[in-house]
Amino acid sequence: AQSVTQPDIHITVSEGASLELRCNYSYGATPYLFWYVQSPGQGLQLLLKYFSGDTLVQGIKGFEAEFKRSQSSFNLRKPSVHWSDAAEYFCAVRGYNQGGKLIFGQGTELSVKP
Amino acid sequence: DAGVIQSPRHEVTEMGQEVTLRCKPISGHDYLFWYRQTMMRGLELLIYFNNNVPIDDSGMPEDRFSAKMPNASFSTLKIQPSEPRDSAVYFCASTPGGLNEKLFFGSGTQLSVL
Repeated sequence: AQSVTQPDIHITVSEGASLELRCNYSYGATPYLFWYVQSPGQGLQLLLKYFSGDTLVQGIKGFEAEFKRSQSSFNLRKPSVHWSDAAEYFCAVRGYNQGGKLIFGQGTELSVKP
Repeated sequence: DAGVIQSPRHEVTEMGQEVTLRCKPISGHDYLFWYRQTMMRGLELLIYFNNNVPIDDSGMPEDRFSAKMPNASFSTLKIQPSEPRDSAVYFCASTPGGLNEKLFFGSGTQLSVL
């Protein structure tokens, strides 16, 4: 069965510092991978997605993620964090034959220090 | 486009009462999803529809939960009878379809069962 693990429940970084949020997935083939962000009291918004091709994908708000098949990982990065990036981040996976079914990780809450 | 519209935004009810959550997907989207978010379990897929037909309801917790999609522009999630452990944020999301399509989330319904 598909699953997604986000090892870090909560991360705090200083404004201007770099950020990496970890995501590991379990799936028998190459899955479709997504990162979503959720601001307080809001629904989720897509940051970026990976299906094939270049393993480094660019998203909105300056985020990027790298797919590493050998590590079953899809970590999210940002070179310089802004205070407005404070939110909860979810990694998600969809299998090739899973129709629309999207499985989410537990989420990582990001706090940004001034 | 108004996006995915959910109502009510907040619902407070007493244990044993029937609760109905409503969702209007984005026009033209063929898939509709109901997710539940709690601190303990994160985001769980409850059920999803394709062209108004339920495809996978394996995430529905128990018989107290039911979901319908009578037409392409409306879906309901009903809990009868409600219990305190049903307290959560319930999200509806839609997507045009296709494996590379992102989900568009509503703002959610915060349900509190006393």
